[in-house]
Amino acid sequence: DQQVKQNSPSLSVQEGRISILNCDYTNSMFDYFLWYKKYPAEGPTFLISISSIKDKNEDGRFTVFLNKSAKHLSLHIVPSQPGDSAVYFCAASARLPNAGNMLTFGGGTRLMVKP
Amino acid sequence: DTAVSQTPKYLVTQMGNDKSIKCEQNLGHDTMYWYKQDSKKFLKIMFSYNNKELIINETVPNRFSPKSPDKAHLNLHINSLELGDSAVYFCASSQDKFRGTEAFFGQGTRLTVV
Repeated sequence: DQQVKQNSPSLSVQEGRISILNCDYTNSMFDYFLWYKKYPAEGPTFLISISSIKDKNEDGRFTVFLNKSAKHLSLHIVPSQPGDSAVYFCAASARLPNAGNMLTFGGGTRLMVKP
Repeated sequence: DTAVSQTPKYLVTQMGNDKSIKCEQNLGHDTMYWYKQDSKKFLKIMFSYNNKELIINETVPNRFSPKSPDKAHLNLHINSLELGDSAVYFCASSQDKFRGTEAFFGQGTRLTVV
């Protein structure tokens, strides 16, 4: 059972436009959410995160929105650039006793930004 | 000057063999992890160590045995390799065990069992 889902396996966007990547989760215990970016043959790289006490976090061109009631978060990239082309993973963690830092990942969305 | 480095990057081996993947982090982090990315591209945690102590052990066959000689290293040893073990294995580290925030990942080891 996938607790974190990214229902769009791929997304194609024109350079300069907005990219919106979506993520849904089912576990109400999740209280911290992260987005990672992954290029081929490289490990995932942390991009941006949001705590469940917030509904928005912005960092330059990247903004993450959290809708707790809908158990949904989204990553907005604006303006999109060709260098943003990568696979984006949504991840979540829960505050559990001795849970360590276990991240539950979605399946990823491949973003292609066309020049 | 890689923060989290794993070796080898590629590993091709026959069924039944025993192999190890090494991981080292130079970030001074307390916690290290092993994740597996399967053929469907899902990243799933396998193990987590905090200061050389095992704190997470997900449902992983006991053919997989992590070893942490010190908090900067977390190696993964796999016995009696099976075809289904073929995947990309990622090592990662984070500052402490309480937050998975900004976990830093290695470049991955693509294991192919033939």
